[in-house]
Amino acid sequence: GQNIDQPTEMTATEGAIVQINCTYQTSGFNGLFWYQQHAGEAPTFLSYNVLDGLEEKGRFSSFLSRSKGYSYLLLKELQMKDSASYLCAVMDSNYQLIWGAGTKLIIKP
Amino acid sequence: IAGITQAPTSQILAAGRRMTLRCTQDMRHNAMYWYRQDLGLGLRLIHYSNTAGTTGKGEVPDGYSVSRANTDDFPLTLASAVPSQTSVYFCASSDSPGGTDTQYFGPGTRLTVL
Repeated sequence: GQNIDQPTEMTATEGAIVQINCTYQTSGFNGLFWYQQHAGEAPTFLSYNVLDGLEEKGRFSSFLSRSKGYSYLLLKELQMKDSASYLCAVMDSNYQLIWGAGTKLIIKP
Repeated sequence: IAGITQAPTSQILAAGRRMTLRCTQDMRHNAMYWYRQDLGLGLRLIHYSNTAGTTGKGEVPDGYSVSRANTDDFPLTLASAVPSQTSVYFCASSDSPGGTDTQYFGPGTRLTVL
């Protein structure tokens, strides 16, 4: 079966750095997405990786290792507004997104 | 530009009733999707449409139907609602079904079936 694993919850301090991991086992691979979802709101796109390596976009970076079935989202200089759930999703061989349950990130002052 | 709109925002429904959740996008995207989101689970695909006039089944299609008469609208119908269909429903769209095209989400409909 297809499976996306990510931690349920993480806590970090304002101004710090946090890394959210995602491991996956899917039928085929056509890219990995990270989305941010604030409570009660819709998911919004953060990043897309299809090749191995690091993609940097401002305070957020995303890393992919296809051989290890592994990705992480790195958030730097954490702000209170970064408190949200972070969803990892893999596009499978049928071009459908398989979603992890999300990691709830709590930022403390 | 509104992006994607969904209606209603929330609804309480008696079991056995028929309900249609509406979704409209103004981005002229070809592909549209319906997901449900339940606590502790990832988003699960119910139905999708790669282009107007075509639809397909996702991971959890039972009890739901969709239609795609035009590019902009993608309604989701629950023919006879059951309590297990209590969930938050998100509609999404993308320019094309695959590749790097990002899926954009509507604000969601919170449905409670009693």
